[in-house]
Amino acid sequence: DAKTTQPTSMDCAEGRAANLPCNHSTISGNEYVYWYRQIHSQGPQYIIHGLKNNETNEMASLIITEDRKSSTLILPHATLRDTAVYYCIVRGVSGGGADGLTFGKGTHLIIQP
Amino acid sequence: NAGVTQTPKFRILKIGQSMTLQCTQDMNHNYMYWYRQDPGMGLKLIYYSVGAGITDKGEVPNGYNVSRSTTEDFPLRLELAAPSQTSVYFCASSYFLAGGRPTSYEQYFGPGTRLTVT
Repeated sequence: DAKTTQPTSMDCAEGRAANLPCNHSTISGNEYVYWYRQIHSQGPQYIIHGLKNNETNEMASLIITEDRKSSTLILPHATLRDTAVYYCIVRGVSGGGADGLTFGKGTHLIIQP
Repeated sequence: NAGVTQTPKFRILKIGQSMTLQCTQDMNHNYMYWYRQDPGMGLKLIYYSVGAGITDKGEVPNGYNVSRSTTEDFPLRLELAAPSQTSVYFCASSYFLAGGRPTSYEQYFGPGTRLTVT
């Protein structure tokens, strides 16, 4: 699976959009970009995933650059409850992901009141 | 659905003791996983299972054993606990359908077990 690079921490004001970047310059053609988050002391929570098109769901939007070497997770109206560590994970889907997810250190997003 | 449940929530072990961390899921998922998370770090995969009776090692399997006798349960056994096994342990599950659309494989995580070995 391709390696990812994320900033260690970020701040965002409550009510503003939080934009979390991720670099994955070695991503291959059949690898997807996944985002999970982990609120303090809880298990990780799936947010969104994508291959090459932009994706949106009820939690967030995922913007993937045309060359697929980087992506941005957007939380449109951040709340205090969005304070968490956000993990960007790149992986292929052969075998259905049987061998688990590779978590780096992620980005600690702090929403300021 | 309760999702993925783990017991106990907290445990303190003495060096050399053994214990079993329990994990149960009620979503009829075929894949299950055990991860550990050390302070300030990401999760590391210990063991995984693609179905009842089938298990395989992940990145950090030493000192642990697993079994998968049913679809629902995936216990993790620690033999001869060591201080290096002090960590938070997360169980997760996902569903994979062979030949299905390979676009998700979202993993659902349990609340974790905080283990201290002294």
